[in-house]
Amino acid sequence: QQQVKQSPQSLIVQKGGISIINCAYENTAFDYFPWYQQFPGKGPALLIAIRPDVSEKKEGRFTISFNKSAKQFSLHIMDSQPGDSATYFCAASSNTGNQFYFGTGTSLTVIP
Amino acid sequence: NAGVTQTPKFQVLKTGQSMTLQCAQDMNHEYMSWYRQDPGMGLRLIHYSVGAGITDQGEVPNGYNVSRSTTEDFPLRLLSAAPSQTSVYFCATFQRRNTEAFFGQGTRLTVV
Repeated sequence: QQQVKQSPQSLIVQKGGISIINCAYENTAFDYFPWYQQFPGKGPALLIAIRPDVSEKKEGRFTISFNKSAKQFSLHIMDSQPGDSATYFCAASSNTGNQFYFGTGTSLTVIP
Repeated sequence: NAGVTQTPKFQVLKTGQSMTLQCAQDMNHEYMSWYRQDPGMGLRLIHYSVGAGITDQGEVPNGYNVSRSTTEDFPLRLLSAAPSQTSVYFCATFQRRNTEAFFGQGTRLTVV
């Protein structure tokens, strides 16, 4: 059973456009929601994370929107650049658990 | 400060062979995990450890063994390799619950 559901599986965006990736979860005990970025041949690296006490977190061109009542969170990449082309994973964890639950990943391609 | 180091980077095994994937960290993190990454499946947890001498199973533990004799090292053993274990394996560490996870560069394993 997938604890975190991620969509879309792949995404193609024009340079300068907005990329949006969505995730949903069921376990209300989750209280930490990170996004990881992975380039080919590399391990995932933390991009941005949010905790449920806020509805939005912004770091540069990257924004997480969080809807606690809907149990959904999303990553928005503004002014998408070819260098943003990568695989993005959402994840969730709880302060009482010992592991992260990852989404299935989104392959983003930004076309020049 | 190397972070998380995985060896080897690539490996080809014959069905039935055994091998050990190595993971070492120099960040003094208590939590260590092994994931496998398969297309369309995201990152799936194999085994994890919350400290030296303590390990537990994740989502897909069958065919794998782990041990944690020191804080720094968390090897993953394939007992009798099968083609279904062809995958990219990642080791990850984090200091406390609900904090950033740091990943190694991965081991690409092919079982023929």
